[in-house]
Amino acid sequence: QKEVEQDPGPLSVPEGAIVSLNCTYSNSAFQYFMWYRQYSRKGPELLMYTYSSGNKEDGRFTAQVDKSSKYISLFIRDSQPSDSATYLCAMKRGAGGTSYGKLTFGQGTILTVHP
Amino acid sequence: DTGVSQDPRHKITKRGQNVTFRCDPISEHNRLYWYRQTLGQGPEFLTYFQNEAQLEKSRLLSDRFSAERPKGSFSTLEIQRTEQGDSAMYLCASNSGREQPQHFGDGTRLSIL
Repeated sequence: QKEVEQDPGPLSVPEGAIVSLNCTYSNSAFQYFMWYRQYSRKGPELLMYTYSSGNKEDGRFTAQVDKSSKYISLFIRDSQPSDSATYLCAMKRGAGGTSYGKLTFGQGTILTVHP
Repeated sequence: DTGVSQDPRHKITKRGQNVTFRCDPISEHNRLYWYRQTLGQGPEFLTYFQNEAQLEKSRLLSDRFSAERPKGSFSTLEIQRTEQGDSAMYLCASNSGREQPQHFGDGTRLSIL
């Protein structure tokens, strides 16, 4: 079983829709949670970075973390064709131990927003 | 403001050849990470440098792989005797502290003929 599970999709939505992307994880040591967006043949671009449980909003994007359920979500409001990309969730441990901050990624969800 | 830079962007080579990739992190970042990403998968951690010290290596990093960061600035990743299974995107990331987010370059795509 992978430490981080993410539905690969693909997910196709009309322009203006609300998109919900999710990841589950098994390692309770994860304390930092991220969402990256990756366009074809490009590197991952950081969208959201959160610590522990709670919500964080940035423009059309909202990240939610529920540590009790080991479940994180990314919501995209008023989706645009330019949002079409692969979305990757990523996590890392908190301080202490021998971990130096390496990221553990989900498989990525392919999103297409059509006009 | 320059981000993480990787060179070359694409490398095509024959099986059995050696290849070397370069990563230039964001200038004030003392931490540098290498990841490998295969088609349809998320990136997987390979190795980590803090300044010039290589502090962590994944089991994915076989003895054919070696990474260096001699002056604590740019880093190189070398693969010796390449195999078909080495075909992937090799990504470099950097940050300025353990609790800071990692910023990625656009990767080097390796194709083995």
